[in-house]
This record gives sequence, structure tokens and C-alpha cells, in this order.
Amino acid sequence: DADVTQTPRNRITKTGKRIMLECSQTKGHDRMYWYRQDPGLGLRLIYYSFDVKDINKGEISDGYSVSRQAQAKFSLSLESAIPNQTALYFCATSDGSGTYNEQFFGPGTRLTVL
Amino acid sequence: LAKTTQPISMDSYEGQEVNITCSHNNIATNDYITWYQQFPSQGPRFIIQGYKTKVTNEVASLFIPADRKSSTLSLPRVSLSDTAVYYCLVGLMEYGNKLVFGAGTILRVKS
Repeated sequence: DADVTQTPRNRITKTGKRIMLECSQTKGHDRMYWYRQDPGLGLRLIYYSFDVKDINKGEISDGYSVSRQAQAKFSLSLESAIPNQTALYFCATSDGSGTYNEQFFGPGTRLTVL
Repeated sequence: LAKTTQPISMDSYEGQEVNITCSHNNIATNDYITWYQQFPSQGPRFIIQGYKTKVTNEVASLFIPADRKSSTLSLPRVSLSDTAVYYCLVGLMEYGNKLVFGAGTILRVKS
């Protein structure tokens, strides 16, 4: 079984709809992250959480919100989706110790907003 | 944020050693240098990380000169399966928004 799972893997929605992307992990890590990737570009950090009570904005948080329901679950919401939020979304985890910058990524969710 | 510059793309042949250099002139004292690999439609995968001198693991080596203003990822004897995008990151994840993925280097390995 995958250590970091994301649901759904693909989603097509319409402008103005609310949508939630979910991430679960079995690695026991405290730290979780949401990134988006646009074609030909690197990943940009949306939100990150260092523990259940900690939520921080990343580079591009406008139009997004998150919820850390438990150590293992971190959800990303688009309150009112717009076409330029069409992208590949990745969830990642890290344990915050040892190798500082080592993150473990999920398989990604491909979101299309029409 | 430490800005990184790396080649947009590189071509190589199976069995060759590939070196990808990354420039990071404004690296901070606390920053680490980290490399990730990404295959199409997959999440990035951590390859190697270092602070100074040389680091080697089972898949790659990382060379960092004394001034730390650049670094070189070395992949020995590449195969077709090494075709991917390689990202150089500079920062420290303790401050989450200091870790930035740039556009990366597309490595194409040919037979």
C-alpha cells in the first residue's frame, strides 16, 4: 500500500464549484504539505502544516483553504473553483528530523476546472 | 529565498555519467542543497541532500564547493529509466516557504 494517498486522482469540475482534495498518510509524519504544479513549471507550495494545530500559508494560498483533521489527514479545498486552478496537485509529508528537506509525495490529483 | 539556476534540458546516452550543475549565488548559511527527481505524472522523489563538500548515496553523488554558490548532481552510468526532470532546491524546510522548486532540468537518456 502507498504511504501517501490522494483522492480523487482525477477530477473535472465547473467554475464556481466547491471542491475538496484529500490526502492521507501512513508514514506517521507530523508535517504535511500541499503543492500545485502547472505544465512545464516546478511545484509551488500552497499550504503546509507542521502538526495538527499548525497551519501555514505557502507561496500561493489565495483561493485555497486547508484542514488538518488528524496527524494522518490533510485536506485542500477550493471554495469557488476557477479555470486557472486547473493543475496537478500534490500532497507531501516529512518527519521534520534527520534529512531536513526530504519529503514524500503522493501520486497527485489532476484537477480540471471548466 | 535562494534562487537557483539550472539548465533547462540535457541529453545523454545510456552508460554515461551525467552531471547537472545548479547555481545558487545567494545561498544562506542555514540552507541545505537538495535534489529531487520527477517522472511524468508522478510526485517528485528525493535523491540526495548535502550542506558542503561531497555526499554520496546508492543512486547519486552531490558535489558542493567551499563557497557553496553552486552544486553538481552526478548520476553514474545512466539508463533509460533515468529520463526525468531533476530539481535543485536550496533552503531549509524548517521554514516551509523557503523551499522552492524551480523549473528543473529535463534529462533525456537515449539508447
